[in-house]
Amino acid sequence: EVHLVESGGGLVQPGGSLRLSCAASGFTFSDTWMTWVRQAPGKGLEWVADIKGDGSARHYVDSLKGRFTVSRDNSKNSLYLQMNNLRAEDTAVYYCARNLGYHRLESWGQGALVTVSS
Amino acid sequence: QSALTQPPSASGSPGQSVTISCTGTSSDVGGYNHVSWYQQHPGKAPKVMIYEVNKRPSGVPDRFSGSKSGNTASLTVSGLQAEDEADYYCVSYAASNDALFGGGTKLTVL
Repeated sequence: EVHLVESGGGLVQPGGSLRLSCAASGFTFSDTWMTWVRQAPGKGLEWVADIKGDGSARHYVDSLKGRFTVSRDNSKNSLYLQMNNLRAEDTAVYYCARNLGYHRLESWGQGALVTVSS
Repeated sequence: QSALTQPPSASGSPGQSVTISCTGTSSDVGGYNHVSWYQQHPGKAPKVMIYEVNKRPSGVPDRFSGSKSGNTASLTVSGLQAEDEADYYCVSYAASNDALFGGGTKLTVL
């Protein structure tokens, strides 16, 4: 059974940094594209970033390029999202998802809440 | 990139059919057969209901169907049931490997 568990969320001040992790199990992680999606409180879903199975390709939503970095460690079956220079508008639940191609997001974690506030 | 356009709400009575639209451009919905639909119940993670315009993952009831015409994709839920009440989001592959989500539609079963 596929299992995705996010961690690392919490309260951070504006301008601060945070790294989210996503532990994966139940599938061949290194062969699989992974995706981060976020959802601000009471708002819709927003695609954040994708990373290819071997880490050789990464794609980001234009508005976050330069502040957010997606990475992975296939030896640990883990996905990461490094978030720098955080702003209030980055407050959201961040989900990791298994991407079976062209954003067919077949499995999702439970989400990690990130709150940016002073 | 602009989000795809969905109606904010839709509704139907049990047993009826309802269709939710998702409108984009020729650079996303109209240009690729890579539209997916997600169902999200309050406080829960989204669940894929349709992918590649009209394909259903295993376990999704055949009451859910997808289609596309031009720059508009649609999700139809037939034989509405109480548990279908949820938010629904479309997403399309777009040029430069981007993904665009719709703003979401709240489906109410009357």
